[in-house]
Amino acid sequence: DAEITQSPRHKITETGRQVTLACHQTWNHNNMFWYRQDLGHGLRLIHYSYGVHDTNKGEVSDGYSVSRSNTEDLPLTLESAASSQTSVYFCASSEGTLVSYEQYFGPGTRLTVT
Amino acid sequence: AQKVTQAQTEISVVEKEDVTLDCVYETRDTTYYLFWYKQPPSGELVFLIRRNSFDEQNEISGRYSWNFQKSTSSFNFTITASQVVDSAVYFCALSERRTGFKTIFGAGTRLFVKA
Repeated sequence: DAEITQSPRHKITETGRQVTLACHQTWNHNNMFWYRQDLGHGLRLIHYSYGVHDTNKGEVSDGYSVSRSNTEDLPLTLESAASSQTSVYFCASSEGTLVSYEQYFGPGTRLTVT
Repeated sequence: AQKVTQAQTEISVVEKEDVTLDCVYETRDTTYYLFWYKQPPSGELVFLIRRNSFDEQNEISGRYSWNFQKSTSSFNFTITASQVVDSAVYFCALSERRTGFKTIFGAGTRLFVKA
């Protein structure tokens, strides 16, 4: 069965360190997204991609970067982790570009920055 | 501006009660999509429904029903005869054509269903 996976599921890191969160999907979807979930804010879009070599900034992109070298993967990098980036991170994918389809979500990564 | 408001932060009901979760959206686009997702205590997000702006028909799926009203910019979700397994956070979301269908989520409504 197709799926979307994230690793690690839990991560504790120190302020200032670079951290990369992995996202891998086997749906063969063109679209991939990274969100962060914080209490009271719902899910906020960090970065998204509509295909290989395409990346775009979302509403809370400062301090984060992504790259898309193949269809299946969209790793999220925190350049220099800050305590404000402690959050739960969700990766998602969807098909289509001319029509908006539902997104399939990974299980999430809980990141703590100390 | 694209915006989704879920004014109810938390709702608590007793099993078998009906409950409605409100969602109000703002958009200037004529082509847009609305979604509901469920996030149970286990944490994963599960898609429930998608509607496009040209289809105002209400939808029923088992105990779940959705009322889409463009006149009031609302897309409300009703659970009939609630069950403990319905306890979750529910998110309403909006995507607009003019933003390339980026999805904006509401803050979510946490539903507690007590036995």
